[in-house]
Amino acid sequence: AQSVTQLGSHVSVSEGALVLLRCNYSSSVPPYLFWYVQYPNQGLQLLLKYTTGATLVKGINGFEAEFKKSETSFHLTKPSAHMSDAAEYFCAVARNTGGFKTIFGAGTRLFVKA
Amino acid sequence: DAGVIQSPRHEVTEMGQEVTLRCKPISGHNSLFWYRQTMMRGLELLIYFNNNVPIDDSGMPEDRFSAKMPNASFSTLKIQPSEPRDSAVYFCASSLTDGNTEAFFGQGTRLTVV
Repeated sequence: AQSVTQLGSHVSVSEGALVLLRCNYSSSVPPYLFWYVQYPNQGLQLLLKYTTGATLVKGINGFEAEFKKSETSFHLTKPSAHMSDAAEYFCAVARNTGGFKTIFGAGTRLFVKA
Repeated sequence: DAGVIQSPRHEVTEMGQEVTLRCKPISGHNSLFWYRQTMMRGLELLIYFNNNVPIDDSGMPEDRFSAKMPNASFSTLKIQPSEPRDSAVYFCASSLTDGNTEAFFGQGTRLTVV
């Protein structure tokens, strides 16, 4: 079985401050890990993904995430928040089991204060 | 490519009526997913297809829900009869059958059952 836990349903940061959104996963085999972003009234779009290789992955809009197997974590960071980063962020885990099933975390809404 | 196309974008219906949501996946993608998003339950995977065949429908809430994929370019999600608790945003997503690739989401259908 696999699941995803996002710590904190809401995170508020000031513009220019560090963004840290936490994600822990459970999976019986090495998973594929994703971060998606959802802007109001839109579908989800991919920020970044980890499959194999380098554990620090860079995505769009200055975001990056580090896969830490020992901690079963895949936290999302951005050094300096921008007002346009305000959105909901979803961590997801998937593995290919003859089909491809992606399970999403509950989401973390990011607020950015001026 | 125009991306994943869902219709309608908004649907308001009366309790007891049949509702059909439609999805056109990205050409060449062979996996298709239906998700439901609500404030209370977050993003839930309802069903997914691989090469037009339903692989896992364990997320379908009850027999009132059914999904079909008659060909590689079209899928429907039907609710009959609809109930107010079915009110949610329903997303369709598609991907290639490979855990290395992400799911591409449509804009969603906002369903309101009154």
